Amino acid sequence: DGGITQSPKYLFRKEGQNVTLSCEQNLNHDAMYWYRQDPGQGLRLIYYSQIVNDFQKGDIAEGYSVSREKKESFPLTVTSAQKNPTAFYLCASSGPWTGGRNQPQHFGDGTRLSIL
Amino acid sequence: AQSVTQLDSHVSVSEGTPVLLRCNYSSSYSPSLFWYVQHPNKGLQLLLKYTSAATLVKGINGFEAEFKKSETSFHLTKPSAHMSDAAEYFCVVSDYGGATNKLIFGTGTLLAVQP
Repeated sequence: DGGITQSPKYLFRKEGQNVTLSCEQNLNHDAMYWYRQDPGQGLRLIYYSQIVNDFQKGDIAEGYSVSREKKESFPLTVTSAQKNPTAFYLCASSGPWTGGRNQPQHFGDGTRLSIL
Repeated sequence: AQSVTQLDSHVSVSEGTPVLLRCNYSSSYSPSLFWYVQHPNKGLQLLLKYTSAATLVKGINGFEAEFKKSETSFHLTKPSAHMSDAAEYFCVVSDYGGATNKLIFGTGTLLAVQP
């Protein structure tokens, strides 16, 4: 089935360590997104990419980095500069907007990151 | 700027009774609007979307929402709640013709369904 796969489901980070969250999609979507979810705050956009080899900062990009070398993959690195990384991270993708209308985003099942 | 406000952070209903989850939006343009549902430790699943074709939008699992421009509202309803409907629901707005397809999420409404 087509969809978005995030791995791992749970991840632990030590102080001063970088960790990378994986996101793979087989929906043939050009656009991909990373969100952070904290209780009571909804979803906040970290980074997004509309096409391979291109990405833009979202609302809370500090302490994070991404790459988009392949259409199917959009990994997120949580660096040691992110002082409060404990959260639920969601990856999403969407098809091209048609007729001037935005398309819904499709989500993976998330990665829960915790600090040791 | 676009924004969305979910008026209730928690809603509790009894099984078999109607569900109403309220959402107001703010947009400079004719917006695209969505409702998503999230079960614990899962991603978000699209329930329904409004893209100007019809003001009453039917979605999955018996949910529907009505776009009311005069009230800037997009409330989610279901005639009869089921235990499996217990989850968190997000109202989402997007720009009309926005090149980035960025979505703006409400803070969510947690729906509890009592037996």
